[in-house]
Amino acid sequence: KQEVTQIPAALSVPEGENLVLNCSFTDSAIYNLQWFRQDPGKGLTSLLLIQSSQREQTSGRLNASLDKSSGRSTLYIAASQPGDSATYLCAVNTEDDKIIFGKGTRLHILP
Amino acid sequence: EADIYQTPRYLVIGTGKKITLECSQTMGHDKMYWYQQDPGMELHLIHYSYGVNSTEKGDLSSESTVSRIRTEHFPLTLESARPSHTSQYLCASSPGVRVGNQPQHFGDGTRLSIL
Repeated sequence: KQEVTQIPAALSVPEGENLVLNCSFTDSAIYNLQWFRQDPGKGLTSLLLIQSSQREQTSGRLNASLDKSSGRSTLYIAASQPGDSATYLCAVNTEDDKIIFGKGTRLHILP
Repeated sequence: EADIYQTPRYLVIGTGKKITLECSQTMGHDKMYWYQQDPGMELHLIHYSYGVNSTEKGDLSSESTVSRIRTEHFPLTLESARPSHTSQYLCASSPGVRVGNQPQHFGDGTRLSIL
């Protein structure tokens, strides 16, 4: 059974720092992996989607990497800003067409 | 701007009431989904649909039911609400053949509290 784990559960960093959020999954047979952002009381916003054949995707200050064989993905945020404060969720799309979410990392950027 | 709309945003209601949570999307997406999320916990898929007249149960057992009579509309119904149904319910949609082939678009959710 696929399980998705995100570490750390919560993170506070000063504004301007670069940071890395981690996601691991137990079954490497995935179709793709997505990173989402969720603001308090809101739905999810898709940030990056990495197909299983890809190694990384970039969007602005965000870079997501995927190491499918080791079951790991990282989300790198450069030059963090207070507006980046949110919960970041990792989700894998399994080869039997299910989407499994992690519990998320609550990020707080200190002004 | 939101392309997928959920109403109500918040609902506090007594036990035993029938509840319908509305979800509509204007993007013409075939795929639609309902997730349940407790505070600080992961999302769990409770229902999904591949298109009109298609409804499937998700991974998490739920006493709710759904219908898909129109492409843009995917309401979720609880026939008799109980305190255990208290949670946040998120609706999503996506294009594409596979469930996760394209990024999902999420609504802002309905926060449901059953007294």
